[in-house]
Amino acid sequence: AQSVTQLGSHVSVSEGALVLLRCNYSSSVPPYLFWYVQYPNQGLQLLLKYTSAATLVKGINGFEAEFKKSETSFHLTKPSAHMSDAAEYFCAVSDQNNAGNMLTFGGGTRLMVKP
Amino acid sequence: NAGVTQTPKFRILKIGQSMTLQCTQDMNHNYMYWYRQDPGMGLKLIYYSVGAGITDKGEVPNGYNVSRSTTEDFPLRLELAAPSQTSVYFCASSNYEQYFGPGTRLTVT
Repeated sequence: AQSVTQLGSHVSVSEGALVLLRCNYSSSVPPYLFWYVQYPNQGLQLLLKYTSAATLVKGINGFEAEFKKSETSFHLTKPSAHMSDAAEYFCAVSDQNNAGNMLTFGGGTRLMVKP
Repeated sequence: NAGVTQTPKFRILKIGQSMTLQCTQDMNHNYMYWYRQDPGMGLKLIYYSVGAGITDKGEVPNGYNVSRSTTEDFPLRLELAAPSQTSVYFCASSNYEQYFGPGTRLTVT
């Protein structure tokens, strides 16, 4: 069985500050890991994904995440927060990398950006 | 391409009523999914389909039914609505990446 834990249901940063959203996973097989973003009243949009190539993955909107097997982590970072980054972020894990991958989601982290 | 579309956007049901949440995708994806999203709980998989005519239960299927008569459509049926089904429902389709619809916010009172 797989699981995802996102530490901190709410994170608040100032505009221009570093964004760090934490994700730890549990998986009995090599995992495939994803970060999704959800803007208010919208569906989820893929930010980035790790599929066992490079451990540092770059995504859209300046976000990146690093896969650390020893720490079972896949934390999401962005060097400088922008007001438009305010949204809810979900980490997800799958044991497959195919057209029908089944995702297990974490509980989400709401990012607030202060001016 | 419209991607994944869902109707209605909002709905209020009385306990015991029934309704169908519609989901359509125009990307010719074989895989489709229904999730519910409750505050602080992330998304839970209700049902999924690997192609027309094939459906299977996810993590939280009780109280729901689905059908998949075409590649494009994957409706979710609630037969006897209960307050516990108050949630936001997302449909998704997949071709290595899951694409999500905008959601249906359902309240059962």
